[in-house]
Amino acid sequence: AQRVTQPEKLLSVFKGAPVELKCNYSYSGSPELFWYVQYSRQRLQLLLRHISRESIKGFTADLNKGETSFHLKKPFAQEEDSAMYYCALRGTSYGKLTFGQGTILTVHP
Amino acid sequence: SAVISQKPSRDICQRGTSLTIQCQVDSQVTMMFWYRQQPGQSLTLIATANQGSEATYESGFVIDKFPISRPNLTFSTLTVSNMSPEDSSIYLCSVIYHQGTDTQYFGPGTRLTVL
Repeated sequence: AQRVTQPEKLLSVFKGAPVELKCNYSYSGSPELFWYVQYSRQRLQLLLRHISRESIKGFTADLNKGETSFHLKKPFAQEEDSAMYYCALRGTSYGKLTFGQGTILTVHP
Repeated sequence: SAVISQKPSRDICQRGTSLTIQCQVDSQVTMMFWYRQQPGQSLTLIATANQGSEATYESGFVIDKFPISRPNLTFSTLTVSNMSPEDSSIYLCSVIYHQGTDTQYFGPGTRLTVL
């Protein structure tokens, strides 16, 4: 079985502060991990994926297989980063994404 | 990126009735999926909509309750049958444009409330 855990439902930081959204997963094979974001009144959209090892909007995420984690980080949070963030895992079943519960990030001015 | 539309965007329905949700994509896609997001919960995959054949349902979801059609490569419908208040959720259509890419795009969702 595959499972994704985001331990924090709510996360508040001030503008310019570092932010880390935690994600832990459980999967017996080699998973693909993703971060999705949903801004207010917008649809769910892909933020980044571990395969690409890219930085999007200043966010990065590293897959740590030893700790089974895929935490999302940004060194300097901006107010426009306020949104709901979902960590998701894809195993062997192509297309099937297992989502975490989501973390609401609020960046205060 | 994909342009995915869903109809209706929201609805309030009576217990025991059925609602059909439509998903339209701007171009042909390889795979289409239906997800559910219950209040305060995360997204859960209901089924994969297969073009020209029966949908593939995830554990806990059955065709009699959630019949799905996909007559072509750009359109799919999900029906929520014999609704109860527990079916109140956001239902999302999702697509992958072509195999070999891992980007899954999501529609805006349909917010369903069952009284």
